[in-house]
Amino acid sequence: GAGVSQTPSNKVTEKGKYVELRCDPISGHTALYWYRQSLGQGPEFLIYFQGTGAADDSGLPNDRFFAVRPEGSVSTLKIQRTERGDSAVYLCASSLRRGPSNEQFFGPGTRLTVL
Amino acid sequence: AQSVTQLGSHVSVSEGALVLLRCNYSSSVPPYLFWYVQYPNQGLQLLLKYTSAATLVKGINGFEAEFKKSETSFHLTKPSAHMSDAAEYFCAVSASTGNQFYFGTGTSLTVIP
Repeated sequence: GAGVSQTPSNKVTEKGKYVELRCDPISGHTALYWYRQSLGQGPEFLIYFQGTGAADDSGLPNDRFFAVRPEGSVSTLKIQRTERGDSAVYLCASSLRRGPSNEQFFGPGTRLTVL
Repeated sequence: AQSVTQLGSHVSVSEGALVLLRCNYSSSVPPYLFWYVQYPNQGLQLLLKYTSAATLVKGINGFEAEFKKSETSFHLTKPSAHMSDAAEYFCAVSASTGNQFYFGTGTSLTVIP
C-alpha cells in the first residue's frame, strides 16, 4: 500500500522567501507529525496533529513556522521569511491513532535549502 | 523530560560479525522505545519497538534489542552483519504522557566486506 509521501523532495529558495511543504499521510491515519532533521542530527519534533487540530505545536521554533491540516488528511508546513538556518530535511510521519506506543510511519522528507 | 543518547556516531563491523549499537535513554515516566533505520534517500523505517511487554524485542532483518531498566539502555544487536545492513540507525523514546518521539543523533553503520 501507499506510504507517507512528501512533496517536493527538494526545495531550494532564497533567504526571505516563503515556502510550503506538503505531506500526504497513509490513508486512515489520524495522527500526523512534522519533524526537522539537520545535518548529523536526529529528527526533532515540530508539531503534531490529531485530526484537523494541532494537538501539540511546542516544537515550532518561532512564529515564522506554521502548519495546517484542514481536512484531517493532507498537511502543509509553511515557513515565512526563510533564513539560512532553516535549511534541513523536513520529515512527516503518520500513525493510525494517537498514543506514544504507536508506530510512526515516515515519509522520505523534503530537503530544504535556503541560499 | 525524555531524551536519548546514542554512543558512537560511526560504527564499523566486518561482514558476519556481531553488530552492537548503543542507546541509553532518560525518562521520568515509563518509556516506549524504538529503533529506526534510514537508508540513503529513504524515510525512516521501524526496526522494532518496546512497549512494556517482553524486555527482549525481536525486529525485522534479524535485529533485536533488550530493554534494561536498571541500566536505562536499549541496545540494538544483530548476530551477523550483512552488507545490506549499512545504514543510519536512530533510537527514539516516547513517554506515556505524550505523543512525540525524541530521537538520538544516530549511528552510521558501515559493514566491511
